[in-house]
Amino acid sequence: DAGITQSPRHKVTETGTPVTLRCHQTENHRYMYWYRQDPGHGLRLIHYSYGVKDTDKGEVSDGYSVSRSKTEDFLLTLESATSSQTSVYFCAITEGSGELFFGEGSRLTVL
Amino acid sequence: AQSVAQPEDQVNVAEGNPLTVKCTYSVSGNPYLFWYVQYPNRGLQFLLKYITGDNLVKGSYGFEAEFNKSQTSFHLKKPSALVSDSALYFCAVRDTNSGNTPLVFGKGTRLSVIA
Repeated sequence: DAGITQSPRHKVTETGTPVTLRCHQTENHRYMYWYRQDPGHGLRLIHYSYGVKDTDKGEVSDGYSVSRSKTEDFLLTLESATSSQTSVYFCAITEGSGELFFGEGSRLTVL
Repeated sequence: AQSVAQPEDQVNVAEGNPLTVKCTYSVSGNPYLFWYVQYPNRGLQFLLKYITGDNLVKGSYGFEAEFNKSQTSFHLKKPSALVSDSALYFCAVRDTNSGNTPLVFGKGTRLSVIA
């Protein structure tokens, strides 16, 4: 299995609070991604990174920010969580144009 | 823009029968195509990919997929389904004309194999 760790794996929070999800990799891969998974929508890209301090927006980036200060860590932040951000969040990595390797997911519930 | 469609939300098949999970795609150039499987409360696992070469691609757990350029399809197949194949399956595409853009995923097809 690819060395990807997501934390926390489960979190319950209240509307309006900030939340940060962490993705940590031990593979030294260049590309890292954050997706959210919702019933009926499949996986949708939130943000991705193509190197340290290099990030770009995905399909559903509103309300989210990311940071990548070192190769191994990619942080996803919800500045002020809303109920619509209740979801399962997946981090993925790849070195090039090949397949992605996914973490086990972080289940976030916003009350 | 690249896109992928999985026209069936659910596929039911009897154990031992062949299974097919459908996927069609749209890209401006040539596609890189992927299939992933997701078991309950787990992340997605890579099954197989088509980059170039033979249109029939073989992957993990006895799965295979056939790339059909004229029909813009990449259907996932297995000759004999197992109950343990029951899971959520995702097709994904990347347009080779768009540089190293992220994969775009379909909405998923839930496969149920009945004993």
